[in-house]
Amino acid sequence: NAGVTQTPKFQVLKTGQSMTLQCAQDMNHEYMSWYRQDPGMGLRLIHYSVGAGITDQGEVPNGYNVSRSTTEDFPLRLLSAAPSQTSVYFCASSPEPGLAGSTDTQYFGPGTRLTVL
Amino acid sequence: AQSVTQLDSHVSVSEGTPVLLRCNYSSSYSPSLFWYVQHPNKGLQLLLKYTSAATLVKGINGFEAEFKKSETSFHLTKPSAHMSDAAEYFCVVINYGGSQGNLIFGKGTKLSVKP
Repeated sequence: NAGVTQTPKFQVLKTGQSMTLQCAQDMNHEYMSWYRQDPGMGLRLIHYSVGAGITDQGEVPNGYNVSRSTTEDFPLRLLSAAPSQTSVYFCASSPEPGLAGSTDTQYFGPGTRLTVL
Repeated sequence: AQSVTQLDSHVSVSEGTPVLLRCNYSSSYSPSLFWYVQHPNKGLQLLLKYTSAATLVKGINGFEAEFKKSETSFHLTKPSAHMSDAAEYFCVVINYGGSQGNLIFGKGTKLSVKP
């Protein structure tokens, strides 16, 4: 198993450009999510999905779109990049949505480091 | 609502001395708690998790954490630090609120290990 993979590893954008960060997992996990990591802030949830065709917003969704057409893939789209979106982005997956009582481990990808000029 | 507070943003120890990284939690439910580690320019790796079974949880690489309900704490310890332990550590609680099952991260504690 490759686990959770993310591409690209690094990206530099100009303000206003759009791009898609790719995330894929080969563990047949239902639950996938995107976080951003900023210095001194820990990780904050952007969007998540509890299964194919179902997505919802997290704590910091503005400026980002997601879709989940397959179990394996969960791309994150930046429609018009802004300097405030300079961050490290992590995708994660787990077997089931974290229902009350569930302690499923979430598996993280290696991250994408994005700089917006 | 659930939250975690990591009490130190930076901890520095000498190699071979004990490590203590402090975390307090707040939760309306019986919490599920985790510690993750992130080495420089790497992704996050699960160290250990508390699932309301034993209050002393053993993880990888000699780390352990003790769940203390009376103190609402889940501190991470290791008897003897290695240079390879230098990393950032995150205390995490499962959010049973609006975003079901998502993780709420502390702001992280950066551990430095001096030779």
